[in-house]
Amino acid sequence: QVQLQESGPGLVKPSGTLSLTCAVSGDSISGNNWWIWVRQSPGKGLEWIGEIYHTGRTNYNPSLKRRVTISVDKTKNQFSLNLTSVTAADTAVYYCATMAVAGFDYWGQGTLVTVSS
Amino acid sequence: QSVLTQPPSVSGAPGQRVTISCTGSNSNIGARYEVHWYQQLPGTAPKLLIYGNTNRPSGVPDRFSGSKSGTSASLAITGLQAGDEADYYCQSYDSSLSRWVFGGGTKLTVL
Repeated sequence: QVQLQESGPGLVKPSGTLSLTCAVSGDSISGNNWWIWVRQSPGKGLEWIGEIYHTGRTNYNPSLKRRVTISVDKTKNQFSLNLTSVTAADTAVYYCATMAVAGFDYWGQGTLVTVSS
Repeated sequence: QSVLTQPPSVSGAPGQRVTISCTGSNSNIGARYEVHWYQQLPGTAPKLLIYGNTNRPSGVPDRFSGSKSGTSASLAITGLQAGDEADYYCQSYDSSLSRWVFGGGTKLTVL
């Protein structure tokens, strides 16, 4: 059973950089999975941010692409999200998830990140 | 406005059957991209409910079923239970937008 756990600051200043890490247990990050970030603004729906394969191949949401970087750390079996130039519109619960074949089959519990001065 | 359109809310009495629709276009569902469904109980992370249009992950009761036709998909829930109260989201891939897309979510209320 794969388990995912997000960690990172819960408060980020406007124009700053949001940085989160997702620790993976129960599976190797070098396996045949895509490692994914999704966010959910308060009271709103789900928005796919991007994904990474262990080879380093990435796919990003075009609307966020110029601000997003997703990376993998194989030595720590974790992957990370960096989102630059944040505004209040980036306030959301951020989830990490994984996809093996179809559908995002495992999710972290989510972490709320608030953008405020 | 979401790329995939779902009704904001549906309701049903315990034991009844409800369906949730998910309407897309020829660049996502109609382009034969698979549809996946998620259940999000209050205060929790989404959980994969249906993958590949019709398949249930291990542990998901057969009261939940998915279907797809043309540019639309549906989630059916039979034998409604109080514990089914949640938000339900559909998901597919959109080739025009080059990204995964979700429906806006449907809140299920068990009366």
